[in-house]
Amino acid sequence: GNSVTQMEGPVTLSEEAFLTINCTYTATGYPSLFWYVQYPGEGLQLLLKATKADDKGSNKGFEATYRKETTSFHLEKGSVQVSDSAVYFCALSDRGLTGGGNKLTFGTGTQLKVEL
Amino acid sequence: DAGVTQSPTHLIKTRGQQVTLRCSPKSGHDTVSWYQQALGQGPQFIFQYYEEEERQRGNFPDRFSGHQFPNYSSELNVNALLLGDSALYLCASTGLAPETQYFGPGTRLLVL
Repeated sequence: GNSVTQMEGPVTLSEEAFLTINCTYTATGYPSLFWYVQYPGEGLQLLLKATKADDKGSNKGFEATYRKETTSFHLEKGSVQVSDSAVYFCALSDRGLTGGGNKLTFGTGTQLKVEL
Repeated sequence: DAGVTQSPTHLIKTRGQQVTLRCSPKSGHDTVSWYQQALGQGPQFIFQYYEEEERQRGNFPDRFSGHQFPNYSSELNVNALLLGDSALYLCASTGLAPETQYFGPGTRLLVL
């Protein structure tokens, strides 16, 4: 079945440091890939997505590239801020059923702490 | 444009009781999925509803059941609650882009 593996946290960085959170996946077929972010006490927010190989998703300074050859979707940001402190989830989605959405398979999450 | 809404925000129940959680999808969305997120873990897929029918189901027992109404809102019911059912329950909705799901804030259930 499908699975997602993320680097374990917590990851602690100083403000303006470079961020990488590793994510690899196992899937049959050609999944879409996502990064979601969860702030304390809240639900999940979609951060970025990529739907096919070599696509790059980007949002709010975060980027991730869909690498089919390495089955990876690593999250990067050039300069983190204290406000980026949150838990980040990598996820994949099956290709859609006709007329319905897909189910998401999540990694266990990586907690990011950014300090001044 | 309202996003996905869920109610209640918090709930405390005792073992053996039954609970109903509610979700209203984002405007224009017709598919609702439910996820269980245990503390410190990633969300786990419970099931998905489309056109008032269950379309997909994850590895959850029959104690977990659901319903979708004609206005696309949905309920998650859990019978015979166990301590291990304590978790954040997330609802997500999907529209014309089936691969992208938008999540609500969740209902935090505590079973004592």
